[in-house]
This record gives sequence, C-alpha cells and structure tokens, in this order.
Amino acid sequence: DGGITQSPKYLFRKEGQNVTLSCEQNLNHDAMYWYRQDPGQGLRLIYYSQIVNDFQKGDIAEGYSVSREKKESFPLTVTSAQKNPTAFYLCATRQGPSYEQYFGPGTRLTVT
Amino acid sequence: KQEVTQIPAALSVPEGENLVLNCSFTDSAIYNLQWFRQDPGKGLTSLLLIQSSQREQTSGRLNASLDKSSGRSTLYIAASQPGDSATYLCAVRYDYNFNKFYFGSGTKLNVKP
Repeated sequence: DGGITQSPKYLFRKEGQNVTLSCEQNLNHDAMYWYRQDPGQGLRLIYYSQIVNDFQKGDIAEGYSVSREKKESFPLTVTSAQKNPTAFYLCATRQGPSYEQYFGPGTRLTVT
Repeated sequence: KQEVTQIPAALSVPEGENLVLNCSFTDSAIYNLQWFRQDPGKGLTSLLLIQSSQREQTSGRLNASLDKSSGRSTLYIAASQPGDSATYLCAVRYDYNFNKFYFGSGTKLNVKP
C-alpha cells in the first residue's frame, strides 16, 4: 500500500510537553511539507524540505522543529514554546517542481 | 502578501445541479494551481492540477479553468451528487517560489439529496 502515513491519528498531550508527529512516505518524492489547519482557516505552512538534510521555515515555524535524515521521513516536533499547539497537522509530499502535492491523513493534536 | 480567496465560504445545492466554485489570487505570475477536496477530519485529496500554460483541465464531472490575467480559477462540478459534499480548497504556486503553496480557506459544499 503506497502513500503517506501519519501517526498517530489522534494525540493528546499536557501543556509543557514536547511531542513528535510522524510522517512517512514510500512515494519516493523529494519534497515534504508540514501544514497546520485550524477551524475555518486555510492551511498554514510550518516547514518544508526539498532534499535530505535540508529544510526551510514556513510562515509559522516558531515553536516547531523538524529533521530530514531520510528521504522517506519528515518528523515534526511541537515544542512547549508553541503557544497554541492544538490543531490538525497535515504532512504532504511533492515529486518535482511541476507536479502536484499529495497529503497524508493528518494528526489531530490536543494539548490541555 | 500573497492571498488566495475562495468565495463563497459555504454553498448548499440540490442534487443534480451544476455548480461553480471560485478561487481568486493576487498575482498573475502563477506557476500552477491545484484543486483539492477535503472530507471532515481527513487529509486533502488532489482533484486537478493546472499548469500556468494551460487554460483548463478535466477529470470526469470536474472541470477547472485558469485565467491568469484576471487572477481567477473556477472549479465546475457537473450533475452534483450527495457524495460531492466536502470542502474544496485551491492552492497556488508562484514563479518566484514554486516550492511554496498558498491556500485559500475553502468552500464547504453541501449537496442535498
């Protein structure tokens, strides 16, 4: 079964704890993205990576960190510095510049 | 600041009706535009991708058009069905940073049986 997997589907954490969201792909796509989606809003870009060991900040990178040690994996860590971490997080990939973007099923994070 | 606007925010139509969803963007230096569908609590599903050199793309009952000069794209859905009920989002990429996608807030479509 090919595609993008995000785990877990639902995640609950206490305020002040760091949490890591997983994103794995077997599409052999070069670029990977992390977005945040809040109710009634469009997607906002957190980080993106075009190749292994390289990544760039998006529009709302504060309080988040990423790594890209393998082509297949792009984990996102939500740190305690992120003031409003409760949201729906979406991972996406893209094969090349002219190609479309594909999305994973998402992880809903709730911090109390 | 690049903005992508989708109007209306919500739309309710009876089954069988043809409908048009709108996507407006602020800069004509577009690289490509992608339409997505999102079901509640799910990820986005790609519907159509239009390159800047194209005027339209078709897939089944869906037809997307692109008019760069007016900064608009439309998604036409023919003979709507209850299963088409979802939120539809458009995303724009520009020539000067084609790694970045700019998303609209979406149009929530309800097709009544």
